[in-house]
Amino acid sequence: DQQVKQNSPSLSVQEGRISILNCDYTNSMFDYFLWYKKYPAEGPTFLISISSIKDKNEDGRFTVFLNKSAKHLSLHIVPSQPGDSAVYFCAASDGGSSNTGKLIFGQGTTLQVKP
Amino acid sequence: KAGVTQTPRYLIKTRGQQVTLSCSPISGHRSVSWYQQTPGQGLQFLFEYFSETQRNKGNFPGRFSGRQFSNSRSEMNVSTLELGDSALYLCASSLARLAGYNEQFFGPGTRLTVL
Repeated sequence: DQQVKQNSPSLSVQEGRISILNCDYTNSMFDYFLWYKKYPAEGPTFLISISSIKDKNEDGRFTVFLNKSAKHLSLHIVPSQPGDSAVYFCAASDGGSSNTGKLIFGQGTTLQVKP
Repeated sequence: KAGVTQTPRYLIKTRGQQVTLSCSPISGHRSVSWYQQTPGQGLQFLFEYFSETQRNKGNFPGRFSGRQFSNSRSEMNVSTLELGDSALYLCASSLARLAGYNEQFFGPGTRLTVL
């Protein structure tokens, strides 16, 4: 039972254009969502997060949108750069105030940004 | 501030052996979580330690165990290794503040190969 799903295994975009990575979840108890970027042979790097009480969070070129009714979130990267080429993971937590340090990850989407 | 460090980075073992992996969290971080990454299963939560106590546990057999020391450093142990234990083992640390969500920051991982 995969509670967090990234249905697109890969995405290819042109440099300068927008990259949109999608993530769906099934557990309505999830209250915090995160995006991580991962290069080969490295650990995931935290990118941006959003609480379930918000519908948008922005940090520089990265914006995460949350649609709770659809149980869907997306990561927008504008403009995309070749250095953004990596695997992107969506993750969710139902820790709430107890914050038990358990993240549920999607399978990842490989983004390729072409120069 | 130094990031999360993991040792060793690479390890080769044979079936039936046991292995111990080490993780040093970011200074000041009190929570340490462990994850297993495999091509087939993605990133899966193993367990989380906070104040030397296991606070949460994933769905892994008892062969997987861990502990945390008073300085927040953590070790995980896998006994009676199986071929399927070959994976990238990732450690993540967080501040574990009582209020609000605490983002997890990952180390580079330990690549374990079981022959």
